[in-house]
Amino acid sequence: DQQVKQNSPSLSVQEGRISILNCDYTNSMFDYFLWYKKYPAEGPTFLISISSIKDKNEDGRFTVFLNKSAKHLSLHIVPSQPGDSAVYFCAAIEPGTYKYIFGTGTRLKVLA
Amino acid sequence: DSGVTQTPKHLITATGQRVTLRCSPRSGDLSVYWYQQSLDQGLQFLIQYYNGEERAKGNILERFSAQQFPDLHSELNLSSLELGDSALYFCASNMGSSSYNEQFFGPGTRLTVL
Repeated sequence: DQQVKQNSPSLSVQEGRISILNCDYTNSMFDYFLWYKKYPAEGPTFLISISSIKDKNEDGRFTVFLNKSAKHLSLHIVPSQPGDSAVYFCAAIEPGTYKYIFGTGTRLKVLA
Repeated sequence: DSGVTQTPKHLITATGQRVTLRCSPRSGDLSVYWYQQSLDQGLQFLIQYYNGEERAKGNILERFSAQQFPDLHSELNLSSLELGDSALYFCASNMGSSSYNEQFFGPGTRLTVL
């Protein structure tokens, strides 16, 4: 059973517009979430994180929003750039462990 | 470049065989994590080592084993390989002092079982 779900396998956005990537989770005990970006033939790289005590965290063009009641988080990229084209993974840390639970990823394509 | 190295980059082998994947963590990192990514799947956590000791275990098959050596590099051993073991295997590392430390991933080893 997938505890972290990314229901959109792919997303296309025009350069300069906003990209919104979504992630849902089932375990209300998750208290820390991360987004990773992955280019082909490379390992995932950390992008941004958020603790469950916050509902928003911002880093430059990237903002993550957390809605605990809906068990939903989203990553906003504004403005989107062609170099943002990659697969984005959402992950949650299983409480009391060091395990990351990853979603299946969303492939973002930013069109020039 | 994350500072995490993995060898080999690609591995092609036959069913029933055994292979060893190697990972060197970033300098200063004590913790190593192994993940498996099958086609269209997310990264599945396999196992974590911290300073030579197993710390956390995920859905790792009994045919798979891992260890972390005194120099902190780690090896993932996969035996009695099956077609379904074909996947990307990633290693990640961090200080390991807190579960909230971000993990730094290597480039992965692509295993193909024929």
